[in-house]
Amino acid sequence: AQSVTQPDIHITVSEGASLELRCNYSYGATPYLFWYVQSPGQGLQLLLKYFSGDTLVQGIKGFEAEFKRSQSSFNLRKPSVHWSDAAEYFCAVGLNTGFQKLVFGTGTRLLVSP
Amino acid sequence: KAGVTQTPRYLIKTRGQQVTLSCSPISGHRSVSWYQQTPGQGLQFLFEYFSETQRNKGNFPGRFSGRQFSNSRSEMNVSTLELGDSALYLCASSLPSGSAGADTQYFGPGTRLTVL
Repeated sequence: AQSVTQPDIHITVSEGASLELRCNYSYGATPYLFWYVQSPGQGLQLLLKYFSGDTLVQGIKGFEAEFKRSQSSFNLRKPSVHWSDAAEYFCAVGLNTGFQKLVFGTGTRLLVSP
Repeated sequence: KAGVTQTPRYLIKTRGQQVTLSCSPISGHRSVSWYQQTPGQGLQFLFEYFSETQRNKGNFPGRFSGRQFSNSRSEMNVSTLELGDSALYLCASSLPSGSAGADTQYFGPGTRLTVL
């Protein structure tokens, strides 16, 4: 069965420091990978996605992610975190089927300290 | 372009009642998916509709149902509410493509349902 693992439930980063959020997936076929962000009381906003091609993908708000097939990982990075980045981040895999379905990880809550 | 809208944003019901939630997709999007978000279970897929047909359903009891109209708007219904149905219900829309899994889903703000 498909699954997504985000091993860090909470991460605290100082403002201006770099950030890496980990994501590992388990899926037998070519994965479609997504990172979403959710602010309190809000829906999910797409940060970036990987379908094929260049394994380093750029997203909004200065985020990037790197797909590593050998490690089944799709880690999210940002070189310098801003206080407004505090939110919950979800990694998801889109199944390569004839219908829409995202399988989400459990999320990582990012706290930004001054 | 307007985003995905969901109504109502907040809802309080009591056990045994039923509830209907509404979702209007982004203009031109024909696929609508529903997800339940709870602290304990996280984000779980409920079902997906495309061209008024349910294409896939998650592992939820039959009390959870949905439908899609010809204008792609979708509703989901939960009958005989239980305390455990308290959750944020998120709707997402996407364009159709030849490879559905690759379509980007755009989410609405959600409906917060509280069951007392």
